[in-house]
Amino acid sequence: SQKIEQNSEALNIQEGKTATLTCNYTNYSPAYLQWYRQDPGRGPVFLLLIRENEKEKRKERLKVTFDTTLKQSLFHITASQPADSATYLCALDMRQAGTALIFGKGTTLSVSS
Amino acid sequence: ETGVTQTPRHLVMGMTNKKSLKCEQHLGHNAMYWYKQSAKKPLELMFVYNFKEQTENNSVPSRFSPECPNSSHLFLHLHTLQPEDSALYLCASSQDSVSGDEAFFGQGTRLTVV
Repeated sequence: SQKIEQNSEALNIQEGKTATLTCNYTNYSPAYLQWYRQDPGRGPVFLLLIRENEKEKRKERLKVTFDTTLKQSLFHITASQPADSATYLCALDMRQAGTALIFGKGTTLSVSS
Repeated sequence: ETGVTQTPRHLVMGMTNKKSLKCEQHLGHNAMYWYKQSAKKPLELMFVYNFKEQTENNSVPSRFSPECPNSSHLFLHLHTLQPEDSALYLCASSQDSVSGDEAFFGQGTRLTVV
């Protein structure tokens, strides 16, 4: 079965630095990979989607890369702010395989001022 | 607001009770999902509905019974639950069940089984 690993449960960085979160997966390479943000007590909110034929995607201070050879996605937040503190979830889009979005455990980012 | 509304937000129920969780989406989507989120675990997919038809049951115990009367509404009927079923139950919707579009989540129902 598909396994997803987000490399660390928690990441603490200082304001202004770049946060880098890692998502590794096994087996089937999805056509799409998505990243979500989840705040305590709330549902996940979509951030970015990257296709298998895209190496990089950017949106404001966010950047996602997708390497299907390494079976890895990196999620970067540049010039981080305390408001970026949240849990970030990687999701493999397995709908082409007949199922749905499959999520990793998430990485909880804390940005201190 | 994400356009997906879940009620109730919090629910405490005994192991012999029967209750239902409700999800409504105002986005015109055709696919709806139930996920379970327990502490320290990834979101677990429970059920997938596409155009009101159930397309996936991810080995969920029969004490959880989904119902999708139309593309806008999704229910999760609960009966004789166990304390380990206590979790955040999240509903989501997407345009359809084919890849390439984002999922919109509700705020979840925090369920406690006593």
